[in-house]
Amino acid sequence: AQSVTQLGSHVSVSEGALVLLRCNYSSSVPPYLFWYVQYPNQGLQLLLKYTTGATLVKGINGFEAEFKKSETSFHLTKPSAHMSDAAEYFCAVISGTYKYIFGTGTRLKVLA
Amino acid sequence: NAGVTQTPKFRVLKTGQSMTLLCAQDMNHEYMYWYRQDPGMGLRLIHYSVGEGTTAKGEVPDGYNVSRLKKQNFLLGLESAAPSQTSVYFCASSLSRKNQPQHFGDGTRLSIL
Repeated sequence: AQSVTQLGSHVSVSEGALVLLRCNYSSSVPPYLFWYVQYPNQGLQLLLKYTTGATLVKGINGFEAEFKKSETSFHLTKPSAHMSDAAEYFCAVISGTYKYIFGTGTRLKVLA
Repeated sequence: NAGVTQTPKFRVLKTGQSMTLLCAQDMNHEYMYWYRQDPGMGLRLIHYSVGEGTTAKGEVPDGYNVSRLKKQNFLLGLESAAPSQTSVYFCASSLSRKNQPQHFGDGTRLSIL
């Protein structure tokens, strides 16, 4: 069965610093992986997705993630944090055809 | 372009009351989902539907019922609300092809007193 683990429920970075949010997955088949962002009082918005092909995936707002099969990881990065990046981030994997398994989320705080 | 719309946005109920949450999508998506979001637990799937007239149980279905009489609407019902159902409820939809992302509504914040 597929599963997702997000390491660190809270991450703080200084404005302008590197953002690294960790996601590890478990899957018996080639996974489809997603990162979503949730701003306060809003629903989840898709940041980026990995299906097949290039392992480095670029998303919106300057975020990117790299699929590493050997490490079963799909970490989210951004070279330089902005105050507007403060939000909660969720990693997800598709289980079967239409069920999504979400991680428990990482709340990113950006310090001025 | 509305996407996924949830009604109502906020609601306070007393224990034992019933209510229905409405989700409407205008993207002609086949799949629709109901999740609940609780602190530290991520999103947990309550029920889902893979097409008009079909529904299935998710991870935490107890105390909830759903219906999908029209392709664009997915209703979530609480028959007899309990304080443990205090949560934020999200509806999502997606195309039926594999690897398609889900599109989310803005949520319904429900408090059961």
